Amino acid sequence: RKEVEQDPGPFNVPEGATVAFNCTYSNSASQSFFWYRQDCRKEPKLLMSVYSSGNEDGRFTAQLNRASQYISLLIRDSKLSDSATYLCVVNRNSWGKFQFGAGTQVVVTP
Amino acid sequence: ETGVTQTPRHLVMGMTNKKSLKCEQHLGHNAMYWYKQSAKKPLELMFVYSLEERVENNSVPSRFSPECPNSSHLFLHLHTLQPEDSALYLCASSHLGQADTEAFFGQGTRLTVV
Repeated sequence: RKEVEQDPGPFNVPEGATVAFNCTYSNSASQSFFWYRQDCRKEPKLLMSVYSSGNEDGRFTAQLNRASQYISLLIRDSKLSDSATYLCVVNRNSWGKFQFGAGTQVVVTP
Repeated sequence: ETGVTQTPRHLVMGMTNKKSLKCEQHLGHNAMYWYKQSAKKPLELMFVYSLEERVENNSVPSRFSPECPNSSHLFLHLHTLQPEDSALYLCASSHLGQADTEAFFGQGTRLTVV
């Protein structure tokens, strides 16, 4: 089983709609969680950290469910510029061994 | 300069060549990483340096040789590579010991082995 698993998509989303997707992780000792965004042929960039109580940053909402070992990302009022691959990242030890999912592709259409 | 910078951005090399990738971070971080990203695959962690000591080596072939002379610089020395080593090589840094520390990435070196 992969350590971090994501639905590869693509999720085709009409502009203005809401899209949500999950990421599951296998190691229950995982300590910190992040969503990164990667545009085509560019480096990953941090979108947001994911906190136990859930957190929101503008149109983006992240949730963590430790019992079921998944995190989620919800994008409201999708913009064309939200088209990207969203990477789930799990850090499972104290010296920063970041494990990446393969990414979920989101395509926002006019 | 700020952030994490990688050079070169693009590299084409023959299988008998020797080349080096360079990474420099200006964030005051104490850990640096090399990742490999092949087409349609997740990022693969290659090496981790924490306080200039290698703490992770993910079964990477010896034709990849990392070097971390200080906390701001990281190199990846390449020799006798294979065509399947063609990929995007990403350097990252983070600050260990800080809650919820995230990794910051350089723009990557797109390597083509011919």
